[in-house]
Amino acid sequence: GENVEQHPSTLSVQEGDSAVIKCTYSDSASNYFPWYKQELGKGPQLIIDIRSNVGEKKDQRIAVTLNKTAKHFSLHITETQPEDSAVYFCAATINDMRFGAGTRLTVKP
Amino acid sequence: GAGVSQSPSNKVTEKGKDVELRCDPISGHTALYWYRQSLGQGLEFLIYFQGNSAPDKSGLPSDRFSAERTGGSVSTLTIQRTQQEDSAVYLCASSLGPGGSGANVLTFGAGSRLTVL
Repeated sequence: GENVEQHPSTLSVQEGDSAVIKCTYSDSASNYFPWYKQELGKGPQLIIDIRSNVGEKKDQRIAVTLNKTAKHFSLHITETQPEDSAVYFCAATINDMRFGAGTRLTVKP
Repeated sequence: GAGVSQSPSNKVTEKGKDVELRCDPISGHTALYWYRQSLGQGLEFLIYFQGNSAPDKSGLPSDRFSAERTGGSVSTLTIQRTQQEDSAVYLCASSLGPGGSGANVLTFGAGSRLTVL
């Protein structure tokens, strides 16, 4: 099955700085790459996703880039705010969804 | 309902007892997942149901764990003879299933927190 690795496991940035989280996947047939945000005590929620026919997608302060040749994809958050503090999970899938281990992002005011 | 509903939200049980956790997915969602999240850890895949196909059980950690999905809707995760290491939050998620623009987009429930004493 698909194996997804995520780095870093923790990330601390100052408010206003950018944050980047990276993931690699093993199965070249994977064609869908979502990112989920999990706040304390809640289930993960989708924040952005990308499919394999595009290389980059942006939604306001959040962007995702995909390199299918290298089998890696990244989440970029610009102008970080304290409310961005959460655990972020990447995933890769053909059919069933396998997640990375998560990144705990802390944005310091 | 509008979202994925899980019950109970919290369950405390004694070692050796059986527990059942329930998931009501979004109406019309053909795909349903169970994940386990230990304290401060990631999302460990347990099982995946897609329509009437045989479920992918490859993530179930032992034969004490089983899951059913009746009528393509409600799912129950059963843990027999619970152990302390089973303590975790069990998350259910559903999606429209493969194909279409909404394919694979998971909606998670709030989880069932299981504590085994």
